[in-house]
Amino acid sequence: DQQVKQNSPSLSVQEGRISILNCDYTNSMFDYFLWYKKYPAEGPTFLISISSIKDKNEDGRFTVFLNKSAKHLSLHIVPSQPGDSAVYFCAAIYSGTYKYIFGTGTRLKVLA
Amino acid sequence: DTGVSQDPRHKITKRGQNVTFRCDPISEHNRLYWYRQTLGQGPEFLTYFQNEAQLEKSRLLSDRFSAERPKGSFSTLEIQRTEQGDSAMYLCASSRPTGRRTEAFFGQGTRLTVV
Repeated sequence: DQQVKQNSPSLSVQEGRISILNCDYTNSMFDYFLWYKKYPAEGPTFLISISSIKDKNEDGRFTVFLNKSAKHLSLHIVPSQPGDSAVYFCAAIYSGTYKYIFGTGTRLKVLA
Repeated sequence: DTGVSQDPRHKITKRGQNVTFRCDPISEHNRLYWYRQTLGQGPEFLTYFQNEAQLEKSRLLSDRFSAERPKGSFSTLEIQRTEQGDSAMYLCASSRPTGRRTEAFFGQGTRLTVV
């Protein structure tokens, strides 16, 4: 049962434009959401997170939006840079557990 | 470097052999996690430690897998009688001791290949 879904396996964007990565979840108990970036042969690197009491969190070029009613979150990267090319994972967790549940990832390619 | 450290980075072993991986978390982190990642998938939870106590264990962790964190610092993950299906990237992560939600920091992983 895939509780966290990333339905787009890949995305290509021109340098300087906006990248939008999407994530859907099924478990309404999730109360904290995270985005990680992963380069080949490395572990995931934390990017940005959002609590379920918020609907937006911003950090530099990265903004995460949460729509609880739709059980959907998205990561916006503006402007996109070639160094952003990586696999992006969304993850979720809920109170009472310590288990981060990950999606299957979206491979972002930023074209120069 | 004060990040999460994993050793070895790569391991090739013959089917049936035992392997052991080590993880050194960030020093002030009392929470430690093991995950496994296979091609095209996201990291899958294996087990969680708070200090030296193993508080949660996935059904993915068969009897051939055992993890320890004897003094609440470094952790080891042992796989006995390895099978080809055990080939994967094994990731360790740690997080701060806080009641608030916090992010987990991952190591670079150990890539296991069973031949």
